[in-house]
Amino acid sequence: GESVGLHLPTLSVQEGDNSIINCAYSNSASDYFIWYKQESGKGPQFIIDIRSNMDKRQGQRVTVLLNKTVKHLSLQIAATQPGDSAVYFCAENISGSQGNLIFGKGTKLSVKP
Amino acid sequence: KAGVTQTPRYLIKTRGQQVTLSCSPISGHRSVSWYQQTPGQGLQFLFEYFSETQRNKGNFPGRFSGRQFSNSRSEMNVSTLELGDSALYLCASSFGGAGELFFGEGSRLTVL
Repeated sequence: GESVGLHLPTLSVQEGDNSIINCAYSNSASDYFIWYKQESGKGPQFIIDIRSNMDKRQGQRVTVLLNKTVKHLSLQIAATQPGDSAVYFCAENISGSQGNLIFGKGTKLSVKP
Repeated sequence: KAGVTQTPRYLIKTRGQQVTLSCSPISGHRSVSWYQQTPGQGLQFLFEYFSETQRNKGNFPGRFSGRQFSNSRSEMNVSTLELGDSALYLCASSFGGAGELFFGEGSRLTVL
């Protein structure tokens, strides 16, 4: 799920399929992780979060998996819908650094009807 | 419950000018964070205020400053604008602990 410069990784899926967006985080001291969705012209919108004492958390149609061994985070979206088309960011928070989220570069999800 | 409100939504400035952006957090939230979003660098943390005190600061030059008022509203200022300051400036609020940040729609600054 990481990118360089202007080119965001793009994931294209068919409506109704499941989507998996991956993210590598950078700091072993991070203890809180969030996935955000950003639609064009809008601010990031919270999807789901997970703390470092968990390895899986489920929400409505979304699941976040955390692998601290390899510093990897993934977001699974079930039955992807056209409204899910957006840029998805993972973000990490280092313990004690409130309000300071370190964001990944983002992944653009395109859902084909 | 009203969300995070940022003003102005769009503005155009010229190099050398200064700009002030405003953010009203969600009622009850005492922490306000500011982020800069550009296509090249993504979302980068500027600073965070809690109870009128700057609690965390990102790696930006001193031209970028902010403050928070007693009602938790916050402003950020950029002086001596450069072309590279063109960006979407996002404000986020929270209760202040390590938790979810709620973002506003942003202020899009264009520097000519």
